Amino acid sequence: GESVGLHLPTLSVQEGDNSIINCAYSNSASDYFIWYKQESGKGPQFIIDIRSNMDKRQGQRVTVLLNKTVKHLSLQIAATQPGDSAVYFCAERTGANSKLTFGKGITLSVRP
Amino acid sequence: DVKVTQSSRYLVKRTGEKVFLECVQDMDHENMFWYRQDPGLGLRLIYFSYDVKMKEKGDIPEGYSVSREKKERFSLILESASTNQTSMYLCASSGPGREQYFGPGTRLTVT
Repeated sequence: GESVGLHLPTLSVQEGDNSIINCAYSNSASDYFIWYKQESGKGPQFIIDIRSNMDKRQGQRVTVLLNKTVKHLSLQIAATQPGDSAVYFCAERTGANSKLTFGKGITLSVRP
Repeated sequence: DVKVTQSSRYLVKRTGEKVFLECVQDMDHENMFWYRQDPGLGLRLIYFSYDVKMKEKGDIPEGYSVSREKKERFSLILESASTNQTSMYLCASSGPGREQYFGPGTRLTVT
């Protein structure tokens, strides 16, 4: 079947390097942000989230940075592994009961 | 672990058929969502529900309807399938103000 990764920008990194995936969001009133990972043939998987009262949040091998001044979100993956190859989406939400708005996604390709 | 299951991974239907896509979540989440995902267009929200028997239109509700008779189950209905509804359909659920958890998706082909 046709891959969700078609027509998306691609980031290619060497295995073991750090990856930085960037996302520009649209609404300055958004108060909650999420990063998802989607592997081929699977549904999106939650990676990490951050609320607008924070600038940085760390998980296992991943860090999310939020710059509200320029409406920019980034996902840093340390020591990138082949299993990190996937499409990555950012999502923003405005208000606790609002819908999520998803970015188009970026394909991360890890070179062995 | 949160589990969201969808009734079929792959489905092939003919134009004009009525199609039911079922989604079940096991985390007692209030909120449930149906999206479609198409290459180059990303995830688009079709319908969502904040409670049993409640439904709200998303960004692209035309040609679809939904049903939520029980908290754990959210059904998407294509009343008369058309070829432009060929897509990957994703169901998600969430607690209030929290991240959404997605099912594995149903790839629907309408011929």
